[in-house]
Amino acid sequence: EAQVTQNPRYLITVTGKKLTVTCSQNMNHEYMSWYRQDPGLGLRQIYYSMNVEVTDKGDVPEGYKVSRKEKRNFPLILESPSPNQTSLYFCASSLLGEKLFFGSGTQLSVL
Amino acid sequence: DQQVKQNSPSLSVQEGRISILNCDYTNSMFDYFLWYKKYPAEGPTFLISISSIKDKNEDGRFTVFLNKSAKHLSLHIVPSQPGDSAVYFCAASVQGGSEKLVFGKGMKLTVNP
Repeated sequence: EAQVTQNPRYLITVTGKKLTVTCSQNMNHEYMSWYRQDPGLGLRQIYYSMNVEVTDKGDVPEGYKVSRKEKRNFPLILESPSPNQTSLYFCASSLLGEKLFFGSGTQLSVL
Repeated sequence: DQQVKQNSPSLSVQEGRISILNCDYTNSMFDYFLWYKKYPAEGPTFLISISSIKDKNEDGRFTVFLNKSAKHLSLHIVPSQPGDSAVYFCAASVQGGSEKLVFGKGMKLTVNP
């Protein structure tokens, strides 16, 4: 089944404790992206990647890192999480120029 | 500065009637527009799209209308069904791709039986 898989679905952590949210897709998509969804703000892009080893900042990249060492994986790294990074995170992928497929989301709470 | 605006946060309609969801944009460079639908505890899923070279695109019960001069698009759902109850996001991009897709804030549609 074609899908974008994020893990974990739920995560509670404390300020400053490094964490990684994993994202994997099995559709051989070149393009992958991370979004965060916040009440009243909709979906905002954090980082995106056009292909392996090619990443770029989206609209709200501060406090986040990403890497794209393999085509199927695009992890989101929070080196020192803060409470303002409490949010619902979505990973997405697509063929270049095509519609996005989204993962089921990761609800992150930073205390 | 929001480039894609969904000014109504919610809409409630009766089953069988028409649902009209509106979206405005400010960037005249946008040339590709999409609607995504999101159920609770799930990721958004693609619903329908329209290129700026068209003014209408239809897919079953869903039709998207684009008015470039007004920088406005709308999604019509006819007839509305309870299973259509979800949050709908309008999105736009430049050069027809999903890269740098800009989303609106979303609108919650409730279809009452």
